[in-house]
Amino acid sequence: KAGVTQTPRYLIKTRGQQVTLSCSPISGHRSVSWYQQTPGQGLQFLFEYFSETQRNKGNFPGRFSGRQFSNSRSEMNVSTLELGDSALYLCASSPPGTSGTYEQYFGPGTRLTVT
Amino acid sequence: TQLLEQSPQFLSIQEGENLTVYCNSSSVFSSLQWYRQEPGEGPVLLVTVVTGGEVKKLKRLTFQFGDARKDSSLHITAAQPGDTGLYLCAGLTSGTYKYIFGTGTRLKVLA
Repeated sequence: KAGVTQTPRYLIKTRGQQVTLSCSPISGHRSVSWYQQTPGQGLQFLFEYFSETQRNKGNFPGRFSGRQFSNSRSEMNVSTLELGDSALYLCASSPPGTSGTYEQYFGPGTRLTVT
Repeated sequence: TQLLEQSPQFLSIQEGENLTVYCNSSSVFSSLQWYRQEPGEGPVLLVTVVTGGEVKKLKRLTFQFGDARKDSSLHITAAQPGDTGLYLCAGLTSGTYKYIFGTGTRLKVLA
């Protein structure tokens, strides 16, 4: 099976712009989670989608949003970019299963640099 | 706010040495996972532990979930340069689909 794919892999944007990142989960996985990884804060949960519905949300400002399509592909959008948004954005998909063994498989990430 | 503290933060050892990484929290988790991440890549799932006191072995890696499901440890026997990477623990809060990630342990194994 193909793994989780994320596009683009690298992105450079200017402060104030907006950006859209894409994630294609492993075939058969219906849950997609997004994380932000920075050297100072580590891996922080942004949100999680299942069957096109946001089930969980982290503590990020409203500038960060996401959505999931009927084929389970997901996008996240960041509006009005700030320098502090520079990070590795990771997407993870999860197979159907009980919540006690909710496993995540990560993509390679999108490296966003805001200048 | 739930926190998962990992120790040590950094570890540099010689090939063949043993090491243990700790993951501690004051919160109870329904399951806990360990990942290894290499530069420029996403984290790769190593193991999931679910039952308090559970021990899982994966070749030279031994994972343990604390009895109270608040802490975990990863022990590597006879470390090899290929074990180099960032090790992350992640706890799942019961009834949610939201993982809290640990602060990370950066391991370097020297040949």
